[in-house]
Amino acid sequence: KAGVTQTPRYLIKTRGQQVTLSCSPISGHRSVSWYQQTPGQGLQFLFEYFSETQRNKGNFPGRFSGRQFSNSRSEMNVSTLELGDSALYLCASSRQISGTGTYEQYFGPGTRLTVT
Amino acid sequence: GQQLNQSPQSMFIQEGEDVSMNCTSSSIFNTWLWYKQDPGEGPVLLIALYKAGELTSNGRLTAQFGITRKDSFLNISASIPSDVGIYFCAGRDNYGQNFVFGPGTRLSVLP
Repeated sequence: KAGVTQTPRYLIKTRGQQVTLSCSPISGHRSVSWYQQTPGQGLQFLFEYFSETQRNKGNFPGRFSGRQFSNSRSEMNVSTLELGDSALYLCASSRQISGTGTYEQYFGPGTRLTVT
Repeated sequence: GQQLNQSPQSMFIQEGEDVSMNCTSSSIFNTWLWYKQDPGEGPVLLIALYKAGELTSNGRLTAQFGITRKDSFLNISASIPSDVGIYFCAGRDNYGQNFVFGPGTRLSVLP
């Protein structure tokens, strides 16, 4: 079974530009979450999508947005990039463990975004 | 909001030694996950725990779901150089829709 895939793996953008990152979850997983990881802040939750609907959202400005398609693939977009947006952006897909109400979550390799 | 604390923050051990690290929460969780992350890569799921008191092994790794449901422990036996990395715990409660992550424990293994 293929794991979570993210594209591109590396990206360099200029301040003020916008960027779109893509994530394909594990087959059968309907939940996709996005995280920002920086050395200073650790893993910060951005948002979660389930069945094409945003189910949960972290404390990030509106410049960060996302969407999920009917095949569960997800994209996240950052507009008007700032230097502080440089980070590793991680996508994770989750599945509910049947009969338990609990979840397992698997991460992709991440997209390293550098804003200059 | 929910916060997770991990300790130790970092550790240096000799190859062959056993390692213990833990994660504590201010909230009760119904799921605990342990991950390992290598530089420049995404975290890899090591062990998942779903019941208080549960003890689960994955090779040389053993993790436990604390009986208070506010903590979890990870042990690595007979460490080897490839165990080097950052270990994260993550928890989720019955009401939250997302996982909360600890700040990580950085493990260094000296030959």
